[in-house]
Amino acid sequence: GAVVSQHPSWVICKSGTSVKIECRSLDFQATTMFWYRQFPKQSLMLMATSNEGSKATYEQGVEKDKFLINHASLTLSTLTVTSAHPEDSSFYICSAGRTSGGETQYFGPGTRLLVL
Amino acid sequence: AQSVTQLGSHVSVSEGALVLLRCNYSSSVPPYLFWYVQYPNQGLQLLLKYTSAATLVKGINGFEAEFKKSETSFHLTKPSAHMSDAAEYFCAVSDRGQAGTALIFGKGTTLSVSS
Repeated sequence: GAVVSQHPSWVICKSGTSVKIECRSLDFQATTMFWYRQFPKQSLMLMATSNEGSKATYEQGVEKDKFLINHASLTLSTLTVTSAHPEDSSFYICSAGRTSGGETQYFGPGTRLLVL
Repeated sequence: AQSVTQLGSHVSVSEGALVLLRCNYSSSVPPYLFWYVQYPNQGLQLLLKYTSAATLVKGINGFEAEFKKSETSFHLTKPSAHMSDAAEYFCAVSDRGQAGTALIFGKGTTLSVSS
């Protein structure tokens, strides 16, 4: 159990377009999900905390109007990169913890975004 | 603020040799500590975690780590490396493992295994 999926796994888009990435907890409920960004050969940096039914909490330096997060249900959070530019190209990874508690975060397989 | 330091961005070992990946944390209270492995173009897989029970934690794939409060360390070891262990390894810390708390990651260590 405790599987997190992401869709799509790969996306290539033109500069100026918007891209939506979905993160789903397949077999458990997650009140809170997290979105991370990973540049090549670097660590994961937390972008935002996604809370079901309320606004996301963004880390310092992350533009909330550019990276729109919606957590519509206990099993789905979406990250939309609006008006994407080449510098937004990165590997985006989500994670989720069980609403029922526990210390472990379960990670999705990641979405690689390439903006041309 | 919590932080994690992984000493050595790249570790190279021979197949069958001991693997030692170092991780030191900074926290005002004993945190929850994790080791994750990442293979190319994939997400993170949990290797093991420390949650204030036994200080020696055994994980998957033959890995283990020991929590040493006096040294604020949580080093990852494996007695005998396999070629399949070549990957990126991340140490992470959370604030007592609350479900709504994000992880703080170290910069990662790339493990190379030669035959």
